Amino acid sequence: GAVVSQHPSRVICKSGTSVKIECRSLDFQATTMFWYRQFPKQSLMLMATSNEGSKATYEQGVEKDKFLINHASLTLSTLTVTSAHPEDSSFYICSARDPGERGNTIYFGEGSWLTVV
Amino acid sequence: AQTVTQSQPEMSVQEAETVTLSCTYDTSESDYYLFWYKQPPSRQMILVIRQEAYKQQNATENRFSVNFQKAAKSFSLKISDSQLGDAAMYFCAYRRNNNDMRFGAGTRLTVKP
Repeated sequence: GAVVSQHPSRVICKSGTSVKIECRSLDFQATTMFWYRQFPKQSLMLMATSNEGSKATYEQGVEKDKFLINHASLTLSTLTVTSAHPEDSSFYICSARDPGERGNTIYFGEGSWLTVV
Repeated sequence: AQTVTQSQPEMSVQEAETVTLSCTYDTSESDYYLFWYKQPPSRQMILVIRQEAYKQQNATENRFSVNFQKAAKSFSLKISDSQLGDAAMYFCAYRRNNNDMRFGAGTRLTVKP
């Protein structure tokens, strides 16, 4: 079964509103989670690294005020797209690093489709 | 910066045949991990195979094997006895220790019956 759960899997929101996507590690503590964005027929592009208890590290070109990341617990990271616009429509996917017995393995969530209308 | 290059946007293979997907990467590090992920239409990222850079032996997972050439910074994936279910996007990825994972542009694999 899935060890990283992402919710919602699909969301439609109106332009100008905010939407939150959750990423949960189900049976391990994830001190580090990663958020990616994937446009159609393209690769996964890292947006930011989410560190539990500290500020996220954003990749160059990613607006931190638009894509708010919160990693308040060892099992949950959230990505909030603020003041969403149609160009924010994309597939967002998170991953979490399990530093434990699984040998520092990274697991991916199922992804979230965001459509801004 | 680390970069991953997949030079084959699309590949096609006949069912039961063998296909090799290419991947090269650029790094100045000596300790890192390399991965091949499969992404079907569902968009779920499925780990196919993983290689630790310090291991000289090529990783194998059933019908999937890699040709890891560290000096050449090459990491190709060989799929033997291809099956219809192997059709998907395949991403090569690089990760250094506890850091994030960087992906290539992907190769779309088609399996012909």
